[in-house]
Amino acid sequence: DTEVTQTPKHLVMGMTNKKSLKCEQHMGHRAMYWYKQKAKKPPELMFVYSYEKLSINESVPSRFSPECPNSSLLNLHLHALQPEDSALYLCASSPSLGAGGYTFGSGTRLTVV
Amino acid sequence: AQSVTQPDIHITVSEGASLELRCNYSYGATPYLFWYVQSPGQGLQLLLKYFSGDTLVQGIKGFEAEFKRSQSSFNLRKPSVHWSDAAEYFCAVGEDDMRFGAGTRLTVKP
Repeated sequence: DTEVTQTPKHLVMGMTNKKSLKCEQHMGHRAMYWYKQKAKKPPELMFVYSYEKLSINESVPSRFSPECPNSSLLNLHLHALQPEDSALYLCASSPSLGAGGYTFGSGTRLTVV
Repeated sequence: AQSVTQPDIHITVSEGASLELRCNYSYGATPYLFWYVQSPGQGLQLLLKYFSGDTLVQGIKGFEAEFKRSQSSFNLRKPSVHWSDAAEYFCAVGEDDMRFGAGTRLTVKP
């Protein structure tokens, strides 16, 4: 298995909703990442996990809450989002920090209404 | 902090013509450099990467890139472009926290 699987592919949520994005990989990678990509912009790093521990938080608002329950799974919990948070959320993994060459999932297209 | 700059927002080439996409990096030491491609509404696919060693790197889909320390560049090349190469191309830099350039949109004319 050489894929990163993200679910759901599309999500529409209201500003008072709580939802979660899921990312899964079975390549034995020990580093996982969340990126946010607005339309016609490059991906922006949000969080980095290494061996299930949060390594980097790029000053992301607390309405985004990451979780790494095991080495194969990465979640992004969403609460009280704003319309400007609408974007493509990309998950990636790599064998370890510094190994380079991330494998990306196809993303979750999030719309906040 | 490491960063990359892609000077060209949009490039149009004819099918069968050669292609060069530019990328300049800013980093004191030898950077980890990457090229990714993204089709509309899709995730990113790694084309090639450079960590050290041979400065000419071969990638997938017939792409190659050359690391030039003297010019702080890592340009992507392909000798003959196919219509299916039309996409957004991102140069990226970083080890623990990869950062992307603004991207270059490639249009291929028939």
